[in-house]
Amino acid sequence: NAGVTQTPKFQVLKTGQSMTLQCAQDMNHEYMSWYRQDPGMGLRLIHYSVGAGITDQGEVPNGYNVSRSTTEDFPLRLLSAAPSQTSVYFCASSYGGRVGGYTFGSGTRLTVV
Amino acid sequence: SQQGEEDPQALSIQEGENATMNCSYKTSINNLQWYRQNSGRGLVHLILIRSNEREKHSGRLRVTLDTSKKSSSLLITASRAADTASYFCATEPLITGANSKLTFGKGITLSVRP
Repeated sequence: NAGVTQTPKFQVLKTGQSMTLQCAQDMNHEYMSWYRQDPGMGLRLIHYSVGAGITDQGEVPNGYNVSRSTTEDFPLRLLSAAPSQTSVYFCASSYGGRVGGYTFGSGTRLTVV
Repeated sequence: SQQGEEDPQALSIQEGENATMNCSYKTSINNLQWYRQNSGRGLVHLILIRSNEREKHSGRLRVTLDTSKKSSSLLITASRAADTASYFCATEPLITGANSKLTFGKGITLSVRP
């Protein structure tokens, strides 16, 4: 099925560990974004990309890295996990702006202990 | 900081009633979008309204946009129990090169009682 695929769905990390959250889309969308969702905070933008090779920071980029080597993939790397990064992470993609809205993945629930 | 703020934070209505949710934002926008999120799931795009549009319909959904007041409303008519979810407004800013920075509000929790 076409859409945005996120892996893993659940992850527990120890403080200081690193990991990569995977995101892939098969809709040939140019725009891709990573959000984190915390209770009472809504969704906050971490990093976003407007095409392969182009990334930029969102509202809460500290502690996270991204790269966009292909149109399909947009992985999010946690460099050194901290308890404050416990959250639900969503990847989303879009054709962009005036054309339509974003398609979201089902999320990764991350716990840092 | 978050661009959009939804109002009310929570809404409880009876099945068959209409639900009205409001969103205010701070800076000029390219478009405004509404999303739904069922518990434990990802967000689903409902409707997009451009800055030069005033009203848009999609099925039981009606969205209005008042750029002079920097506000939008989402009306769900003849609500159903299946409409129970969180609803978010999101805005794309009117800044060159930034139209991929979709910014969300904190959401409205809608409960529709059978």
